[in-house]
Amino acid sequence: NAGVTQTPKFQVLKTGQSMTLQCAQDMNHNSMYWYRQDPGMGLRLIYYSASEGTTDKGEVPNGYNVSRLNKREFSLRLESAAPSQTSVYFCASSEVGQGGEKLFFGSGTQLSVL
Amino acid sequence: LAKTTQPISMDSYEGQEVNITCSHNNIATNDYITWYQQFPSQGPRFIIQGYKTKVTNEVASLFIPADRKSSTLSLPRVSLSDTAVYYCLVGDMDTGRRALTFGSGTRLQVQP
Repeated sequence: NAGVTQTPKFQVLKTGQSMTLQCAQDMNHNSMYWYRQDPGMGLRLIYYSASEGTTDKGEVPNGYNVSRLNKREFSLRLESAAPSQTSVYFCASSEVGQGGEKLFFGSGTQLSVL
Repeated sequence: LAKTTQPISMDSYEGQEVNITCSHNNIATNDYITWYQQFPSQGPRFIIQGYKTKVTNEVASLFIPADRKSSTLSLPRVSLSDTAVYYCLVGDMDTGRRALTFGSGTRLQVQP
C-alpha cells in the first residue's frame, strides 16, 4: 500500500498562473483533507471532503477550489496563484476506529509562487 | 472545538523520558485526544489516541486525568530521532467537533 500519494512534490509558479495539486489514497478511506503549512507554523485546514461527492470549507479556503473526483482522489486547484499561497501543502485521509478518527498524511507539495 | 494549549518548545537529552502536556479545558464529554508527530519536510504521523486514563502503544504512552482537562504524552528514553514537532488535537467526529485543527505544536529538541 502506498498510503496517501501527492503530486507534484515541488512546483514553482508565477503570480496569476493556475495549477492543480493531485492527491490519491489507497486505504479506502471516506474522508480526505487538504492542509497548508507555512514555515514554522502549524497546519491549517483548507478544504475537506467527508465522503465522495461532498466538500466543505476549512479555516483558509479563499483562493482555492477542490474536487473529490472519486473515493480515492481529492484535488486542490489554485486558479490564480498569489505569493501568499507559497507554502507546503499536505493531503490527508482518515480512518475512523473505536478510539476516534486518525489522519494519514502524504509527503507534501512544496509550492513557491513568485 | 476544544482549544488546546501546549508548550512551544522543550529540550531533552538522549535516554531521558519526555513528558509533553496539552491543556484542553473545554473538552466535551464525547471528545477524544489524539497526538501526532511531525518531522521536517514530512506530513504529521499519528502517534497515539485516547479518551481517559492511560493508553500505551509501542512508541508512547498517553495519560489522561479524571477531569480530562489535560493530557500528557510520554516518550520513554528518547533518542535523537525523536526530535520533531508534536501536536495535540481534541475532537469527536460523531458530534461534528472533528479533531482537525492543528495548533503550533511543541517543538522537541533531543540532544546527545
